[in-house]
Amino acid sequence: AAGVIQSPRHLIKEKRETATLKCYPIPRHDTVYWYQQGPGQDPQFLISFYEKMQSDKGSIPDRFSAQQFSDYHSELNMSSLELGDSALYFCASSPRLGEQFFGPGTRLTVL
Amino acid sequence: GENVEQHPSTLSVQEGDSAVIKCTYSDSASNYFPWYKQELGKGPQLIIDIRSNVGEKKDQRIAVTLNKTAKHFSLHITETQPEDSAVYFCAASTHNTDKLIFGTGTRLQVFP
Repeated sequence: AAGVIQSPRHLIKEKRETATLKCYPIPRHDTVYWYQQGPGQDPQFLISFYEKMQSDKGSIPDRFSAQQFSDYHSELNMSSLELGDSALYFCASSPRLGEQFFGPGTRLTVL
Repeated sequence: GENVEQHPSTLSVQEGDSAVIKCTYSDSASNYFPWYKQELGKGPQLIIDIRSNVGEKKDQRIAVTLNKTAKHFSLHITETQPEDSAVYFCAASTHNTDKLIFGTGTRLQVFP
């Protein structure tokens, strides 16, 4: 069965640089979620989109922005990167209000 | 907002024994409670979930129970196997927002 695809899988950036993470949801899933997971921590909700509109917002810094495109893929844009942004970033997709299926994640390292 | 507590943080069992992980939630409006298994370097994998109109759900060796009055739900794994070793997260969400609030995780080790 098709799963959530995330790219890149690994990303290394310097402080103050920008990064773009991409998420391709499971076919026919119209909702995308972004979560951030620090080392040894639980995933923290950042933002979600339903039918290309932002549906909910969590603890996402103002330096981050995201959008969902017409083909339902989503991108998380991160600017002015800080050391504390180093984490695993997961995208999950679901049918509306259905089970969330997570992708393999992008490991971001900020040096 | 919702707060989910999870215990224990680590759990070691012998192969074949049962394992129980417990979570409590604070928001009485929460109505969906999934459990995820996360192996090292991988994304969380949904293993079972339960909605607030059901008290118990079972899928082979895995079961989840929900006590809405106590705002408490538990994961039960029977006949554990070494491949069950992973970090398990409980989560909760409400009907009007589908974001998941996770517990802090339980590292389960199953020894052969």
